[in-house]
Amino acid sequence: ETGVTQSPTHLIKTRGQQVTLRCSSQSGHNTVSWYQQALGQGPQFIFQYYREEENGRGNFPPRFSGLQFPNYSSELNVNALELDDSALYLCASSSPQGAGYGYTFGSGTRLTVV
Amino acid sequence: KQEVTQIPAALSVPEGENLVLNCSFTDSAIYNLQWFRQDPGKGLTSLLLIQSSQREQTSGRLNASLDKSSGRSTLYIAASQPGDSATYLCAVIHNYGQNFVFGPGTRLSVLP
Repeated sequence: ETGVTQSPTHLIKTRGQQVTLRCSSQSGHNTVSWYQQALGQGPQFIFQYYREEENGRGNFPPRFSGLQFPNYSSELNVNALELDDSALYLCASSSPQGAGYGYTFGSGTRLTVV
Repeated sequence: KQEVTQIPAALSVPEGENLVLNCSFTDSAIYNLQWFRQDPGKGLTSLLLIQSSQREQTSGRLNASLDKSSGRSTLYIAASQPGDSATYLCAVIHNYGQNFVFGPGTRLSVLP
């Protein structure tokens, strides 16, 4: 049984560019959630995908978008990058067992916008 | 809107001390509460999960309690060790949602 894998681990982008972050969910998990964690703060919920459909969204603008694929892996896309988008982006996968059960977090992607 | 706060923001203690980390939340309609550990620049590791109907959970030297009516949880760490140094995050999930709402964390340093 593998855990949650995120790629890349680190990324530097220029303001205004676009970025795609990737997440492979844990085997047997069909739900993927994305969180943004600014330095010194707790993670903030971006959105969740369940069976390839968006299943909830936090207070993030539309330039944050996502996809989930049939194998339950997921992408987070951010357009028109801003300096404040610099953060650790965490992906978490979970089973359909119930809220909060079996969540597994990846190690994150550290995005720096310059 | 649910808000989660944690006190203290940072804590430095000598090895061997027992310590308590505090978490407060504003909306008591939670499904469960979890405590996570985060090492610098890393992802989150779940430590303890307390269902809304439970009062406490224990794992090794860790004990977490939940008082839903007052919107409070505490994480008790017994006989602290330098390897316990990390940031500890408290998070709740609502009855009506599927996402965690996290507190800002407590940064713990255990000195040898």
